[in-house]
Amino acid sequence: GDSVTQMEGPVTLSEEAFLTINCTYTATGYPSLFWYVQYPGEGLQLLLKATKADDKGSNKGFEATYRKETTSFHLEKGSVQVSDSAVYFCALMSGGSNYKLTFGKGTLLTVNP
Amino acid sequence: DTAVSQTPKYLVTQMGNDKSIKCEQNLGHDTMYWYKQDSKKFLKIMFSYNNKELIINETVPNRFSPKSPDKAHLNLHINSLELGDSAVYFCASSQGRPNNEQFFGPGTRLTVL
Repeated sequence: GDSVTQMEGPVTLSEEAFLTINCTYTATGYPSLFWYVQYPGEGLQLLLKATKADDKGSNKGFEATYRKETTSFHLEKGSVQVSDSAVYFCALMSGGSNYKLTFGKGTLLTVNP
Repeated sequence: DTAVSQTPKYLVTQMGNDKSIKCEQNLGHDTMYWYKQDSKKFLKIMFSYNNKELIINETVPNRFSPKSPDKAHLNLHINSLELGDSAVYFCASSQGRPNNEQFFGPGTRLTVL
């Protein structure tokens, strides 16, 4: 079945540091890939997505590239801010799963001033 | 205006009780979902309805019964609550193509004593 593996947290960085959160997946067919963010006490929000190989999703300074050859969708940001502190979820959706979202376990990011 | 709303936000109850969580979306979406997030932040889909028809039903105890009176509402009823049901439950909705963004509600924190 479909699965998503993302790096274990928590991740603690200083403001303006470079961020990478690794995400790899296993899926049938050609899934769409997503990063969702959950700020403290809130629901999830879509951060970015990519629907086919080599697509790059980007939003709010975050980027992720759909790499079919390595089945990866790593999240990066060049300079994090305190306001980026949140839990980040990598997810996929494929036709083989009846189009349900399968999430990774989430990575807690804390950015210190 | 709230896009996806859930009530109540917090629910504390005794084992063995029956409770309901309500979800409403004002986005005009045709698909709604229920997710469960456990204490380790792991998110897993429970149910999905499209145009009031059940399309995803994961391995969930039959004590959990979703009900969709119309496209804008998807309620979750839980019978004979158990300690292990304690979690945060998120409702979500989406429209059109399956890989379109899902919009999440703020969550309902259920605590079973």
